[in-house]
This record gives sequence, C-alpha cells and structure tokens, in this order.
Amino acid sequence: DAGVIQSPRHEVTEMGQEVTLRCKPISGHDYLFWYRQTMMRGLELLIYFNNNVPIDDSGMPEDRFSAKMPNASFSTLKIQPSEPRDSAVYFCASTLWGETEQFFGPGTRLTVL
Amino acid sequence: AQSVTQPDIHITVSEGASLELRCNYSYGATPYLFWYVQSPGQGLQLLLKYFSGDTLVQGIKGFEAEFKRSQSSFNLRKPSVHWSDAAEYFCAVGTGGGNKLTFGTGTQLKVEL
Repeated sequence: DAGVIQSPRHEVTEMGQEVTLRCKPISGHDYLFWYRQTMMRGLELLIYFNNNVPIDDSGMPEDRFSAKMPNASFSTLKIQPSEPRDSAVYFCASTLWGETEQFFGPGTRLTVL
Repeated sequence: AQSVTQPDIHITVSEGASLELRCNYSYGATPYLFWYVQSPGQGLQLLLKYFSGDTLVQGIKGFEAEFKRSQSSFNLRKPSVHWSDAAEYFCAVGTGGGNKLTFGTGTQLKVEL
C-alpha cells in the first residue's frame, strides 16, 4: 500500500486566496483525521471523519476552514480566505476501527504570504 | 479534558548513551497512550502504544515505555541511542476508543557523535 497520500507537498499562496489541501487515506480505512502543526501550538486535531461523516470538528479554528470527505478515498481541507497565520504543516492521517494506530501522510507545508 | 505534558523541549545525548524522554498525561479514565516519532520533513510514525496489561511495552527501533498510573506518566526509553534516532518525539493520549489523539508539544532529540 502506498500509505496516506497528501497533495500538494508544498503550497505558497497570498493572503486572501483560497487554498485546498487533499488527502487520500489508506484503502479500507474508515477514519480520517486532519491535523495542523505549528511551532506555537504544536500538533492540533482539526477534524475527523468516520465512514465519510464528520464526527468532531471542534478543532477547526474558524469558519474560514472547511473539510469534506465525498467518498472513502478522498478528503479535502479548504481555507477561504487564507491568512498568514494559517501558515503551518497540515497532516492527514487514517486508521481502521479497532486498530487505534493512526497512519500519517507526509504533510503539506502551507505558506501564506 | 485530556492533556499531555512533555517537559523537555530539547534533549542532547551522546551516541551509545541511554535515553529517557518524559511524558505526563491528564485523563479521567484509563488512557490509551502512544509515542510517535517525526523525522525532519516527514509525517509521524508510531513507536509504541499502551492500552492495558503489561505496563512495560516494547516498540520498534529498540524503544520501550513504561506506564505508571500513580505518576500519570508514560516515559520513553532506549538503552543505547543511535545517531539515526535524532528526531522529534511526541507523546499522545487517545480518547474516543483511542481514535482522538491529543499530542504533547514534542521533545527534539539531538544525538552527538
């Protein structure tokens, strides 16, 4: 298996632009997580899905952030409009019910100028 | 709410020396506990996990961790550190059946040759 796939690996954009981060979980996994990593706040859980349904989005910082999972093999995290303070590494992870180990993707490094 | 404290932000050890990374957690019930490692530019990889049973757990790469309920601790140890162990290490507590992870702020390990 290729593991969790994230794209793009690096994104540089200007303030006010829309940013879309993409994630393909490991095939067969039914949980998907989005995390944000910054120097100031460390690793934060933003939202997670079970069977494509958002279960807990209490970590989503603002209405500018939205996440979707239209099917079992694809999820997006969108920021609109982006701001410099959104600059961070965004990780996607997936797991299977009962497995508990989360498998992380390589992350997307977002820079908002 | 659950929380994880990793009191050491940076640790430097000589290659071949022993290592102990500290982790304290706060959680009202029996915790699911994890140690993850992150190499530069990479996602997180699971080193080991504890759910129940034997309080000394073995992981990959020669790491082990001991769960001490009385001290609310889950310290990571390795008897002899290799230069390739230089990375950032994260302790995490899992809730919601272990699926929702709360991470500590991480400990950056530097290995001197």
